[in-house]
Amino acid sequence: EDKVVQSPLSLVVHEGDTVTLNCSYEVTNFRSLLWYKQEKKAPTFLFMLTSSGIEKKSGRLSSILDKKELFSILNITATQTGDSAVYLCAPLRDNRLAFGKGNQVVVIP
Amino acid sequence: GAGVSQSPRYKVAKRGQDVALRCDPISGHVSLFWYQQALGQGPEFLTYFQNEAQLDKSGLPSDRFFAERPEGSVSTLKIQRTQQEDSAVYLCASGKRDSTYEQYFGPGTRLTVT
Repeated sequence: EDKVVQSPLSLVVHEGDTVTLNCSYEVTNFRSLLWYKQEKKAPTFLFMLTSSGIEKKSGRLSSILDKKELFSILNITATQTGDSAVYLCAPLRDNRLAFGKGNQVVVIP
Repeated sequence: GAGVSQSPRYKVAKRGQDVALRCDPISGHVSLFWYQQALGQGPEFLTYFQNEAQLDKSGLPSDRFFAERPEGSVSTLKIQRTQQEDSAVYLCASGKRDSTYEQYFGPGTRLTVT
C-alpha cells in the first residue's frame, strides 16, 4: 500500500514569510516525485524530481528530493497572496501518480 | 497552446443513471490518465492509456466504471448505475510520451449523484 504523508496539512502565513512543505513517501517501484499547485481548479505542474540532492528552482519556489530518506521538500520564499493554494506531492510509481492529501497554504496580506 | 479540456464541467446525476465524461488531451500527447478526487483528498488514480491502449485499469473502483480512448486522442470515462459514493471531481491528465513524463491536468468534471 502506497503511503504519502504531507506536513503540515494546513498553515497560515503572512506575505513575505518563507514556507517549507514536507512530503514523505513509501511507494513501490518509485520513479520520480512531482509537485503540483492546486487552486480551485486543475493541479498545475511545478516540479519533477528524479535525482537525490539536486535542487530545482522556479522563481521563488524550490524543491529537493532525498531518495535515501524518502522525502521531498518544497520551499516558497517571499510568499504572496497568489501562493495561497493546496500543494500536492505525488510520487510516480509504475504508471501512476500516488498523491498525498496536500499542504493547504493560506497567505494573508 | 491549448491545455487539457474536460466536459461537462459539472454534472448532476440521479442515483442509478449512467454518465459519460469527456477528456480532450493536449494535442500530440501520448499518455492519458484519469483520476478521482474526493473532497479534501488528493487525486486517486483510476486508469492509464498509452495511445489507444489501456495499459492499466487497476484503479477503477468497480465494474461500473469503464474508460476508452478508441483513436488515441479523446477519452471517455463512463460510469454506469451511478451511486452516491461516485460523487467526486474526475480529473484527466495527459503526458507527452510514456508515463514517466510529467502529467498536465484538465479542470475536472465535478459529478454530484443525488
